[in-house]
Amino acid sequence: NAGVTQTPKFQVLKTGQSMTLQCAQDMNHNSMYWYRQDPGMGLRLIYYSASEGTTDKGEVPNGYNVSRLNKREFSLRLESAAPSQTSVYFCASSARLAGFGETQYFGPGTRLLVL
Amino acid sequence: QKEVEQNSGPLSVPEGAIASLNCTYSDRGSQSFFWYRQYSGKSPELIMSIYSNGDKEDGRFTAQLNKASQYVSLLIRDSQPSDSATYLCALVIGAAGNKLTFGGGTRVLVKP
Repeated sequence: NAGVTQTPKFQVLKTGQSMTLQCAQDMNHNSMYWYRQDPGMGLRLIYYSASEGTTDKGEVPNGYNVSRLNKREFSLRLESAAPSQTSVYFCASSARLAGFGETQYFGPGTRLLVL
Repeated sequence: QKEVEQNSGPLSVPEGAIASLNCTYSDRGSQSFFWYRQYSGKSPELIMSIYSNGDKEDGRFTAQLNKASQYVSLLIRDSQPSDSATYLCALVIGAAGNKLTFGGGTRVLVKP
C-alpha cells in the first residue's frame, strides 16, 4: 500500500516547455487535489476532482490543466511553463470532499524549477 | 486580507514547555478546521481537526476553536525536539464546502 505517489520528484524546465506531473493513489479515494506550495504562502489549491470524471478549479488554476484519468490517477499539466510556476507541487486524496472533514493524504511532492 | 493568517515564526520553545500557535480566519461561515504538521522537505500530515467551539484534546495536542472571535489555536504540551516543524492551519471554504484553504504556517523550533 503505497498511499499517494507522485512522479517526478524533481524537474527542471525552460520557460515555454510543457510537462505533466503524475499522481496516483491506491486507497480507493474518490477525491483528489493538486496544490502548490511557495515559501510563506502555505498550500494553495490549483484544481481538484470530487470523483472520477469531474474536475473543478481551485484558488490558482491559471496556467494549469488537469485530467482525472480514472479513480486512481490525477495528472497536472503545464502547457507553457513560466518562472512563476517554480514551486513544490503536492497531490492529495481523500475519501470524500474536504467539507466533510475527511483527512487528506498527501504525496511526497514534486519540486519544479522553471528557468 | 488573506483568508487564513498565521504568524510565520519561528516560535522557539524550550523542551518540555507548551507551544501555543494561533490562526485567525476571515470567513465567518467556516465550519471545519484542521492543523497539519509539515517537516522540512516533507509533505503535510493531519494532526488535529475541530468542528465545534471549545477544546479538543489528542495526546499532547489540544486544538481550541472560537468561531465568534474567528480564531483557532493549537497547543503542544511537553514539547519535544521532534515537534520542530511547520504547522499549517486550514479550513473549509466555499459555498459547497469542498475546498481547503491554508495559512502560511508557523515554524516551531523546540530547543533541548
